[in-house]
Amino acid sequence: NAGVTQTPKFRVLKTGQSMTLLCAQDMNHEYMYWYRQDPGMGLRLIHYSVGEGTTAKGEVPDGYNVSRLKKQNFLLGLESAAPSQTSVYFCASSYSMPGQGTYEQYFGPGTRLTVT
Amino acid sequence: EDQVTQSPEALRLQEGESSSLNCSYTVSGLRGLFWYRQDPGKGPEFLFTLYSAGEEKEKERLKATLTKKESFLHITAPKPEDSATYLCAVQAYNFNKFYFGSGTKLNVKP
Repeated sequence: NAGVTQTPKFRVLKTGQSMTLLCAQDMNHEYMYWYRQDPGMGLRLIHYSVGEGTTAKGEVPDGYNVSRLKKQNFLLGLESAAPSQTSVYFCASSYSMPGQGTYEQYFGPGTRLTVT
Repeated sequence: EDQVTQSPEALRLQEGESSSLNCSYTVSGLRGLFWYRQDPGKGPEFLFTLYSAGEEKEKERLKATLTKKESFLHITAPKPEDSATYLCAVQAYNFNKFYFGSGTKLNVKP
């Protein structure tokens, strides 16, 4: 099993450009998440999904959009990149059981994005 | 407001020198507390889940404990390969969200 994979690993964008980050998981997990990690601020949740076709906002959703058309994939889009979106982006997934919530998250290797 | 605070921010130990990392949390109904290890340039790697006060989990040189307000990650006789950033996260009953602390960067010198 590959676990959680992310594409691309690195990207440099100019202000105003757009891009899509792809996350894929092969563990049949229901839940998927997108985080950003900045020095001294820990991981902050951008958007998450509790199942195919569903998405919800996290702590810092502005400037990002997401889609979950297939259970195994979760896409993060930046429509008009800004320097403030320079960060390392992590995707994660977890399984859940009805009435018992979710369990530990499994993370991808990250995408390092620089916006100039 | 749900919040997670980790201390210290950084910790330097000599090989074999045991210590503890702290994670204090404020959450409206704890569903679970999670510990992760993160190596430079990589994603967090899951270590432990704790669900209720008094619970303990162990893995090699690491032991995690949980009270109603904080969790400790005890490192016994650490080795240089234990050097990493250790992250704590909590999940509240109300939401399908995880709140992460900013981590403790551990450096173990030989």
